[in-house]
Amino acid sequence: GAGVSQSPRYKVAKRGQDVALRCDPISGHVSLFWYQQALGQGPEFLTYFQNEAQLDKSGLPSDRFFAERPEGSVSTLKIQRTQQEDSAVYLCASSLLISPTEAFFGQGTRLTVV
Amino acid sequence: GESVGLHLPTLSVQEGDNSIINCAYSNSASDYFIWYKQESGKGPQFIIDIRSNMDKRQGQRVTVLLNKTVKHLSLQIAATQPGDSAVYFCAEASFTGTASKLTFGTGTRLQVTL
Repeated sequence: GAGVSQSPRYKVAKRGQDVALRCDPISGHVSLFWYQQALGQGPEFLTYFQNEAQLDKSGLPSDRFFAERPEGSVSTLKIQRTQQEDSAVYLCASSLLISPTEAFFGQGTRLTVV
Repeated sequence: GESVGLHLPTLSVQEGDNSIINCAYSNSASDYFIWYKQESGKGPQFIIDIRSNMDKRQGQRVTVLLNKTVKHLSLQIAATQPGDSAVYFCAEASFTGTASKLTFGTGTRLQVTL
């Protein structure tokens, strides 16, 4: 596709349920980023991949959050035992090179934990 | 559509007037500064960036000014149009060989009135 694609677009999860959010970056893009955006806030960095290597996961809020990009293309963000405070929009972005300055963002997945 | 932010600072501008959106940043070591536009239900969209060794950069209808002395960034939009209505975020970009991230500031909602 022409842009970054995220699925599902919306996800409602019961508290305690595990969820998996998918990101299809732009083909050939080396860098992939995950951000979390709470309502009324700017996006906050979660994790960064360079090809299949997860080089920075300093923004993951707890060990319930896990991300992978096994073949250096599609990435999955998994949240285990979801809590209400996990409710947010999860944004994925990719860029051709290492720099995040030309990153293209997907539309995000809105997660609501009830 | 869903709201990007309910309690953001809001700037109301009449169509055709110029808009100035301000941002304070914290990390004097950032390499780049970027302005993003985010419409409701969409991911952030790149508008313009500026390297840390510059103080002004112009694009189509937009100008970014960087004042490193007071750690201040501004976005000027000329002849504001209804399509410019959105939430605007500034972001600091930093990257090395193993780390790459954007740090977003507090957004500003721009409302263009007819």
